[in-house]
Amino acid sequence: GDSVTQMEGPVTLSEEAFLTINCTYTATGYPSLFWYVQYPGEGLQLLLKATKADDKGSNKGFEATYRKETTSFHLEKGSVQVSDSAVYFCALSDGSGYSTLTFGKGTMLLVSP
Amino acid sequence: EAGVTQFPSHSVIEKGQTVTLRCDPISGHDNLYWYRRVMGKEIKFLLHFVKESKQDESGMPNNRFLAERTGGTYSTLKVQPAELEDSGVYFCASSPFANSPLHFGNGTRLTVT
Repeated sequence: GDSVTQMEGPVTLSEEAFLTINCTYTATGYPSLFWYVQYPGEGLQLLLKATKADDKGSNKGFEATYRKETTSFHLEKGSVQVSDSAVYFCALSDGSGYSTLTFGKGTMLLVSP
Repeated sequence: EAGVTQFPSHSVIEKGQTVTLRCDPISGHDNLYWYRRVMGKEIKFLLHFVKESKQDESGMPNNRFLAERTGGTYSTLKVQPAELEDSGVYFCASSPFANSPLHFGNGTRLTVT
C-alpha cells in the first residue's frame, strides 16, 4: 500500500536558520503530495501541495518540489522564525479522485530565538 | 466561515466504557473524514462520508467503532467498549468536493485508562 516516510524529530534550529524536512513516499499511480502543519493547540492546516511531477508548492516562505524520480517532497524554508515551531506532516492522496490521505509520522520543529 | 468543530476536545474514560465523539463540518461540505493519530504513529484514515453515505470505511479498526452521519450534517464516532489501544487524537476533516483540500478540526484527544 501507499506510505510516507519523513525524518524523525525533533528538529531544533535557531531563528533565521535554513530548514529542510525530508519526505519520501511509496505509491502506485500518480499521487498528489501535501505538507500539513499543526501549531500547538490547533488542528492540521494545509501548508502547501503539488499535484504532478516537478510542481513546486509554496506558502509562507516554505517550498517543496514534487520529485518523481526520487519519490521525494522535501520541505524547505530559507529562514525560520520562532512562530514556525510546529509539527509538520507530509502526506499523499492516491489520485483516485477523493482526498483520502496517507500521512507520515510528523516532524516536530522547534525554533529558538 | 466557521471551521470544522470537534467535541469534546479531551476525553478520559476507563477501559470498557463508551465514548462518543462529535464532528461538525463546515456548512455545505458534503465530504467528511475521520482520522486517528495514535501516540508516535502516523495519522491514519478511518472513514469517509459523502453526505450521509459511507464512501469508504476501510480504515475502521474493528467493530467496536461506529460512525454515523444522519442527515448528512454532523457526524459521530462511537467507541464501545473502549480499549487501551484506542487512546490517541481523533481528527475530523471536511471538504466541499471530492478532490478538494481537507479542512481539519482541532481533534479530540481520547485517553483510555
